[in-house]
Amino acid sequence: QKEVEQNSGPLSVPEGAIASLNCTYSDRVSQSFFWYRQYSGKSPELIMSIYSNGDKEDGRFTAQLNKASQYVSLLIRDSQPSDSATYLCAVNHLFGNEKLTFGTGTRLTIIP
Amino acid sequence: GAVVSQHPSRVICKSGTSVKIECRSLDFQATTMFWYRQFPKQSLMLMATSNEGSKATYEQGVEKDKFLINHASLTLSTLTVTSAHPEDSSFYICSARGDRGRSGNTIYFGEGSWLTVV
Repeated sequence: QKEVEQNSGPLSVPEGAIASLNCTYSDRVSQSFFWYRQYSGKSPELIMSIYSNGDKEDGRFTAQLNKASQYVSLLIRDSQPSDSATYLCAVNHLFGNEKLTFGTGTRLTIIP
Repeated sequence: GAVVSQHPSRVICKSGTSVKIECRSLDFQATTMFWYRQFPKQSLMLMATSNEGSKATYEQGVEKDKFLINHASLTLSTLTVTSAHPEDSSFYICSARGDRGRSGNTIYFGEGSWLTVV
């Protein structure tokens, strides 16, 4: 079982709709969770970080964490064509060597 | 926000030569830096973790004698790909974790370096 799993997509969402990206992780001691956006040929860019159960909102982005279910998601409201990218879920084990483990990413396409 | 800079952004080298990639944290001290490699349409794979003033910790399967990492200061880490071969062609990305004061526990990525070995 992969440590961090994501649906590779592609996920197509109409412009203006809500895009929902999901991620599951296998290590229960995971403490920090991140969503990165990566445009083709570019480096990942941090979108959201979340550490506690529940929702965290930042502008059009909402991260949701459920540690009991080992599940973290990212919602993008009012999707824009510029949101088209690959979204990487990453998990950090604070009590380990603090390295990030990445999922394989979900490719999101916003259809105008 | 915090900025991590990588140089060069693109490099082409001949097979058998060595290439050095620099990673700098511009506005915070990076006690730990990470080096990743990403092949097309794949996720980031951690190669090694470098800590300032000590030897890097390499992930399983990564040749430490081929990928030399030096983290000589709190703002600079370098990755040298020695005796490069075409299969080393990839996107190399560094990231840095800030000290607890300025950047907390957030990890920031450099812009990445495209290496093409011909």
